[in-house]
Amino acid sequence: ILNVEQSPQSLHVQEGDSTNFTCSFPSSNFYALHWYRWETAKSPEALFVMTLNGDEKKKGRISATLNTKEGYSYLYIKGSQPEDSATYLCAAHNFNKFYFGSGTKLNVKP
Amino acid sequence: EAGVTQFPSHSVIEKGQTVTLRCDPISGHDNLYWYRRVMGKEIKFLLHFVKESKQDESGMPNNRFLAERTGGTYSTLKVQPAELEDSGVYFCASSQRAGVRMTEAFFGQGTRLTVV
Repeated sequence: ILNVEQSPQSLHVQEGDSTNFTCSFPSSNFYALHWYRWETAKSPEALFVMTLNGDEKKKGRISATLNTKEGYSYLYIKGSQPEDSATYLCAAHNFNKFYFGSGTKLNVKP
Repeated sequence: EAGVTQFPSHSVIEKGQTVTLRCDPISGHDNLYWYRRVMGKEIKFLLHFVKESKQDESGMPNNRFLAERTGGTYSTLKVQPAELEDSGVYFCASSQRAGVRMTEAFFGQGTRLTVV
């Protein structure tokens, strides 16, 4: 079992602010780290998959980094917009199944 | 290409009744997962099918839950009899199986189950 933790649990920022949140996981028995964006009443949408230590991925204003040695990943949002409001989930998997964190709920105020 | 679809989107049932949730994965995806999110808590793994076989059902909470995937296509998750604590959002996800490397999982919109 992989124990995946996310922080903070929730975050309120103003439009235009940059923000970041953390996903931590056990560094042993790990294969890949996934980030999902989940809007209410919709299905979680895949953002990034990372496997190698030092991996960095970017998609528009959103980017993520991975440190497998110390067991954490950061998700960054540059210049937050109201449409970025959602719950951001990370999930680690070890070949067989995904282990999810509880998510960081982001609210961007106009 | 159709994504992962789940039916129904919402279900409200009384304690003691039976409910069956259905998931249609993306065509060609061997892996099918069921997850559940109880209000305010993390998404928890229930079970994992590879084609029609149960690869891992360690997350199934008790024997009131029965999952099937006959023919390796769609899957059903039956709760019988339902209890109040079964309320939550039930997600289904599917992924391809490329050798030993697992690709990202694609999620359905979930079924919101309310037991009253």
